[in-house]
Amino acid sequence: DGGITQSPKYLFRKEGQNVTLSCEQNLNHDAMYWYRQDPGQGLRLIYYSQIVNDFQKGDIAEGYSVSREKKESFPLTVTSAQKNPTAFYLCASSIGFKGLSGANVLTFGAGSRLTVL
Amino acid sequence: AQSVAQPEDQVNVAEGNPLTVKCTYSVSGNPYLFWYVQYPNRGLQFLLKYITGDNLVKGSYGFEAEFNKSQTSFHLKKPSALVSDSALYFCAVRGTSGSARQLTFGSGTQLTVLP
Repeated sequence: DGGITQSPKYLFRKEGQNVTLSCEQNLNHDAMYWYRQDPGQGLRLIYYSQIVNDFQKGDIAEGYSVSREKKESFPLTVTSAQKNPTAFYLCASSIGFKGLSGANVLTFGAGSRLTVL
Repeated sequence: AQSVAQPEDQVNVAEGNPLTVKCTYSVSGNPYLFWYVQYPNRGLQFLLKYITGDNLVKGSYGFEAEFNKSQTSFHLKKPSALVSDSALYFCAVRGTSGSARQLTFGSGTQLTVLP
């Protein structure tokens, strides 16, 4: 079955550590996204990528970094510079990005819950 | 700036009764509108979308939504609620002239269907 796989599902981090969240898709989608979800808030966009070897900052990129070396993979690193990293992180993908293709739905992974100890 | 409002944090409804989850939006130009559902500790799942055409959109699991341009609303409805419909529902919007980068989500409405 096609879909998005996020790992790990749960992650604990000590303050000052960097951690990397994995996101892999086998949907052949061009665009990929990372969102952060906090209780009582909508999803906030961290980074997005329209195509391999290209990515752009979203609304809350500070303290995060990404790479897009392969179409299938879009890992997110939460760095020690992120002041409040405890959250639920969601990776998503879509067929296209602009115009009507951008109206295509987002397919989401099951999420990764990061807790800072 | 575009925005989405889901005025109710929590909606409770008895099983078998109709349900409505409200959503209003603000966007420049014409909108693309979406509803997603999230079960505990899971990602979001697509329910339905409005792009153009018929104002009444039918989606998965018996859900439907009505686009009302004059009221800038896109309320989610279901004629007869099931206990299994209990979940967190998100409305999202972006302008047709924009890109997926500009998709804005509401804060979510927790729907509880009581047996």
